[in-house]
Amino acid sequence: QKEVEQDPGPLSVPEGAIVSLNCTYSNSAFQYFMWYRQYSRKGPELLMYTYSSGNKEDGRFTAQVDKSSKYISLFIRDSQPSDSATYLCAMISGGYQKVTFGTGTKLQVIP
Amino acid sequence: KAGVTQTPRYLIKTRGQQVTLSCSPISGHRSVSWYQQTPGQGLQFLFEYFSETQRNKGNFPGRFSGRQFSNSRSEMNVSTLELGDSALYLCASSLATGTLNEQFFGPGTRLTVL
Repeated sequence: QKEVEQDPGPLSVPEGAIVSLNCTYSNSAFQYFMWYRQYSRKGPELLMYTYSSGNKEDGRFTAQVDKSSKYISLFIRDSQPSDSATYLCAMISGGYQKVTFGTGTKLQVIP
Repeated sequence: KAGVTQTPRYLIKTRGQQVTLSCSPISGHRSVSWYQQTPGQGLQFLFEYFSETQRNKGNFPGRFSGRQFSNSRSEMNVSTLELGDSALYLCASSLATGTLNEQFFGPGTRLTVL
């Protein structure tokens, strides 16, 4: 079993929709949670990170962590075609030494 | 400020050959990490270098090796290539190791093994 599971999609939504991207994990040592966005032919770029259970907002993006259920989510409000990309969840244990990524969810926002 | 650069961007090799990939981190960044990205496995951590020393290593065979130079540039080498080594190899740099520093990724080197 992988330490981090992520639905690969693809996910196709109309412009303006609310998008929910999810990951589950099995390693209780994970303390820091991140979401990366990867456009085609580019490397991943960090969108958000958080380390506590609860919600964190940044513009149209909200990251949610539920440590008791070992479940994290990224919500995108008012989705735009420019949001079309692969979204990767990532986690680090307390030693900051190694980042474990999910396999990524490919999102397409249709105008 | 220039981003992380990786060369070459594309590479085609045959089984049994070896390959060297290069990564130049963002100026001032001393930590360089390497990842392998495939559709089935996603991003998998290969190793991290800081101040010319390998600090962490993922679960890859010894055919995968790397090094870091005094100017923080890093190279990754894969010997005796196998078909399964076909992947996007990503390099990421950050300011330091041992702390929650944001990693900045390069565009990757697409390796195809025939």
